[in-house]
Amino acid sequence: GQQLNQSPQSMFIQEGEDVSMNCTSSSIFNTWLWYKQDPGEGPVLLIALYKAGELTSNGRLTAQFGITRKDSFLNISASIPSDVGIYFCAGQITSGGYQKVTFGTGTKLQVIP
Amino acid sequence: EAQVTQNPRYLITVTGKKLTVTCSQNMNHEYMSWYRQDPGLGLRQIYYSMNVEVTDKGDVPEGYKVSRKEKRNFPLILESPSPNQTSLYFCASSFHSGNTIYFGEGSWLTVV
Repeated sequence: GQQLNQSPQSMFIQEGEDVSMNCTSSSIFNTWLWYKQDPGEGPVLLIALYKAGELTSNGRLTAQFGITRKDSFLNISASIPSDVGIYFCAGQITSGGYQKVTFGTGTKLQVIP
Repeated sequence: EAQVTQNPRYLITVTGKKLTVTCSQNMNHEYMSWYRQDPGLGLRQIYYSMNVEVTDKGDVPEGYKVSRKEKRNFPLILESPSPNQTSLYFCASSFHSGNTIYFGEGSWLTVV
């Protein structure tokens, strides 16, 4: 099955630094989603993007739906220790009532206090 | 409280012993799906269901079965588990296809 290329795979950053991660695909998507997974928990939705070029913020998080519909990025500004976790992108294509969701391989974020 | 509930959360079983992981959602969602999460591979879809009695294969369906007899429940069945099915499994649901997906807390399954 198809997988999205998500990078970086992992990163260590100092508290207060900004973080950027991205996903690319060879296929187009109708929707891009960004999830965060805390240890021992299921993924929780952070941001949903529905239109090419869309730029959306949720607090310190900002995500964009690439204009080609084949990529998306997530930025976290002024990182804090509770930002630690695994971040997943997901591309979603819906056609004729059929929903196909493909997840990225995840970016593991560690924040050093 | 709106939620997706999976059981069991943790299970160790032996090769070949049939098992079922249950999934229930209380949000009246039409769309439900199962994923497995493995290191370096992210989340891969096993099966999904668009509505009652409508199911279809995802990316990695081999060795799994599902059923959707009621809207709220979507059990995952491993008829003859093998060690390569050791993984973390997530059930998920959404109101319609294309809507936000809500995940359960995950089920850790180990097959020895």
